[in-house]
Amino acid sequence: GENVEQHPSTLSVQEGDSAVIKCTYSDSASNYFPWYKQELGKRPQLIIDIRSNVGEKKDQRIAVTLNKTAKHFSLHITETQPEDSAVYFCAASRTGGGNKLTFGTGTQLKVEL
Amino acid sequence: DTAVSQTPKYLVTQMGNDKSIKCEQNLGHDTMYWYKQDSKKFLKIMFSYNNKELIINETVPNRFSPKSPDKAHLNLHINSLELGDSAVYFCASSPSGTTYEQYFGPGTRLTVT
Repeated sequence: GENVEQHPSTLSVQEGDSAVIKCTYSDSASNYFPWYKQELGKRPQLIIDIRSNVGEKKDQRIAVTLNKTAKHFSLHITETQPEDSAVYFCAASRTGGGNKLTFGTGTQLKVEL
Repeated sequence: DTAVSQTPKYLVTQMGNDKSIKCEQNLGHDTMYWYKQDSKKFLKIMFSYNNKELIINETVPNRFSPKSPDKAHLNLHINSLELGDSAVYFCASSPSGTTYEQYFGPGTRLTVT
């Protein structure tokens, strides 16, 4: 089955700096890679996703890159703000897999003033 | 208000008891899921139903039994609760087909004493 590894487990940045979270996956058939943000005590919410037919996607301060050959994808947050502080999860799934998401272990991002 | 809702939000019970968690979505989705988030924040899928049919059944003790009376509802019944069942349980839903964003409910924090 799919295995998703995520690094780092914790990340502390100064407000205005950039943050990068990296994930690797094992199943070469995986073709959908969402990123979820979970604030303390809240539900996970999708912030951006990418499919395997593109290498990069951007939405304002958030971008995701995908390297299918190396089987890794990354989340980039620029100009970080205190409200970006949360746990971020990467995930992977594949067509025909019943939309089963395999999540990474999460990254606790703390944006300090 | 369109959403995925769960009841109860908190559940405190003793070992050996039987309890149920209910989930409802009014997003018109065909697929619903149960996830378990443990104390280390790791999110793992337990079950998935598509149009009332079980399509994903991970390695979960058979004390856990999902039931889907219709495609808008997915309940989780847990028999003979154990200390290790303490976690946050999230329900989610998505359209069926290929790979899509999953919308999560607010979670049910289960504490077994």
